[in-house]
Amino acid sequence: AQSVTQLDSHVSVSEGTPVLLRCNYSSSYSPSLFWYVQHPNKGLQLLLKYTSAATLVKGINGFEAEFKKSETSFHLTKPSAHMSDAAEYFCVVATTGNQFYFGTGTSLTVIP
Amino acid sequence: NAGVTQTPKFRVLKTGQSMTLLCAQDMNHEYMYWYRQDPGMGLRLIHYSVGEGTTAKGEVPDGYNVSRLKKQNFLLGLESAAPSQTSVYFCASSYPEGGGGWTTNEKLFFGSGTQLSVL
Repeated sequence: AQSVTQLDSHVSVSEGTPVLLRCNYSSSYSPSLFWYVQHPNKGLQLLLKYTSAATLVKGINGFEAEFKKSETSFHLTKPSAHMSDAAEYFCVVATTGNQFYFGTGTSLTVIP
Repeated sequence: NAGVTQTPKFRVLKTGQSMTLLCAQDMNHEYMYWYRQDPGMGLRLIHYSVGEGTTAKGEVPDGYNVSRLKKQNFLLGLESAAPSQTSVYFCASSYPEGGGGWTTNEKLFFGSGTQLSVL
């Protein structure tokens, strides 16, 4: 069975400081992994995806994530937080059966 | 292209009433999904479809039925609504990439959501 665990339900950072949102996955094979973002009262937007190419994946808005098979992790990072980054972030694993499973989400607050 | 369109956007039901949510996509995608989003629980997969005429259960299928009679449409039905089904519902579609017996998943394309309240 595939699943993802987002280790923090809430993360607060000051504007201009680094962001780290943690995600661990469980999969019996090499998975496809994604990060999605949902701004308040908005739909879901893809930030980045990993599909067994480069382990360091660059996404939109300066976000990137590193796939670490030994740690079964896919943490999302950004060097410098911006106020517009405040949102809900979801780590997602996809199976070869074309099912996408979401983590419970991490709410990011950016303090001015 | 409109992408993925959900109707209605808002609905209030009384316990025991029935309704159908419609999802339509114009991207010729094979795969379609229904999710519900609840605070602190992320998005949970209700049902999905890998092609016209096929459906399968996801994580939380109880109390819901689906149909995919046409490739572009995926309907989610509530036969007897319960307050526990108060949620925001998202439809999504996707398509595979790759070949040779192994496919990876392209991203999900989401509708704008339906806010359903069951009183």
